[in-house]
Amino acid sequence: QSALTQPASVSGSPGQSITISCTGTSSDIGGYDYVSWYQHHPGKAPKLMIYEVSNRPSGISNRFSGSKSGNTASLTISGLQAEDEADYYCSSYRPSTLYVFGTGTKVTVL
Amino acid sequence: QVQVVQSGVEVKKPGASVKVSCKASGYTFSSYGVSWLRQAPGQGLEWMGWISAHNGNTNYAQKFQGRVTMTTDTSTSTGYMELRSLRSDDTAIYYCARDRSGSHTNDYWGQGTLVTVSS
Repeated sequence: QSALTQPASVSGSPGQSITISCTGTSSDIGGYDYVSWYQHHPGKAPKLMIYEVSNRPSGISNRFSGSKSGNTASLTISGLQAEDEADYYCSSYRPSTLYVFGTGTKVTVL
Repeated sequence: QVQVVQSGVEVKKPGASVKVSCKASGYTFSSYGVSWLRQAPGQGLEWMGWISAHNGNTNYAQKFQGRVTMTTDTSTSTGYMELRSLRSDDTAIYYCARDRSGSHTNDYWGQGTLVTVSS
């Protein structure tokens, strides 16, 4: 089962906005509004940031937003802060396998 | 508040089995599923499978079928993942997470369990 495609790294200066893309197919991202985004600081438990494409769980900053167009989902972090430096993973529902995850993106705050 | 606490570090020899536990609290365990994922050194997250804590239905990633078994014990609100015939490339941090099946997302994660496979 092939993973969703994410850029290996994205960087930005404090206060800037960055966008992470996540490309799949019509069998996953393009076919269902079940895209999630996770933040993962090494050595810690991953944290759900966005679910159902654009919904934020309680307690997640509104600096994080999600969207989708066709087979590509995106996570935008606005007002970038040092604490946002982490690995980010997308995932999507895919009927044949239930879940498929992205390759991961390392976000660096310059 | 919702908490998910996993069992501790495991060191196993090739060919052995490992069973990782995942104890949940702060919610009705049987109303959700449990997903299991892993992260090998230098690699990304890899979804291994899912189990319904309501009825025990499972869905395993093809890669692990025949080698993994996921179970739950609703009396203790605990999920288990057993992986057999361990190889060195099974060395990884294994995570469990609460699965919100209606939203197809994993909203609370355990702290991870390091499993090292080495002779």
